[in-house]
Amino acid sequence: DADVTQTPRNRITKTGKRIMLECSQTKGHDRMYWYRQDPGLGLRLIYYSFDVKDINKGEISDGYSVSRQAQAKFSLSLESAIPNQTALYFCATSDTGRTHEQFFGPGTRLTVL
Amino acid sequence: AQKITQTQPGMFVQEKEAVTLDCTYDTSDPSYGLFWYKQPSSGEMIFLIYQGSYDQQNATEGRYSLNFQKARKSANLVISASQLGDSAMYFCAMREGEAGKLIFGQGTTLQVKP
Repeated sequence: DADVTQTPRNRITKTGKRIMLECSQTKGHDRMYWYRQDPGLGLRLIYYSFDVKDINKGEISDGYSVSRQAQAKFSLSLESAIPNQTALYFCATSDTGRTHEQFFGPGTRLTVL
Repeated sequence: AQKITQTQPGMFVQEKEAVTLDCTYDTSDPSYGLFWYKQPSSGEMIFLIYQGSYDQQNATEGRYSLNFQKARKSANLVISASQLGDSAMYFCAMREGEAGKLIFGQGTTLQVKP
């Protein structure tokens, strides 16, 4: 079973709709992240959380909100989706060991029409 | 200012040859980490190799090695004996301090020719 899972894997929605992307992990990591990938721009950080009570904005948080329901769950919401939020969204976790390596989920491909 | 720069949008390499993918970075934090990830066409992010700023030796992982030149602030990925399965997008990323979050470059698309 995958260590970091994301649901849904693909989603098509309409402008103005509220949508939630969910992330679950079985790695036991405290730290979780949401990134967005647009073609030619690499991955950019939306929000991150170092534990259940700690939520921080990343580089591009406008238009997004998050919820850390438990150590293992970190959800990303688009309150009112717009077309330029069409992108590939990744959830990731990391430990606090020597490298702080990040482990990525499989991604959610979101299209906003 | 761009913190991670990958200047090669696309690269070609002949199968079985070596290839170097460039990455330069910018940070004033003495403690940082550099990562390379591979993203095949299926979309997942695959960790390849890590180099810490205090590591004395260049990192190696199988056919992957990292040419770390601290004074030049470069962390180039070298893939030896390229295989067709190496065709993918490659991302360089940096972690500053102990914050954990990563800053990514724009990526380099590598195509391996048979």
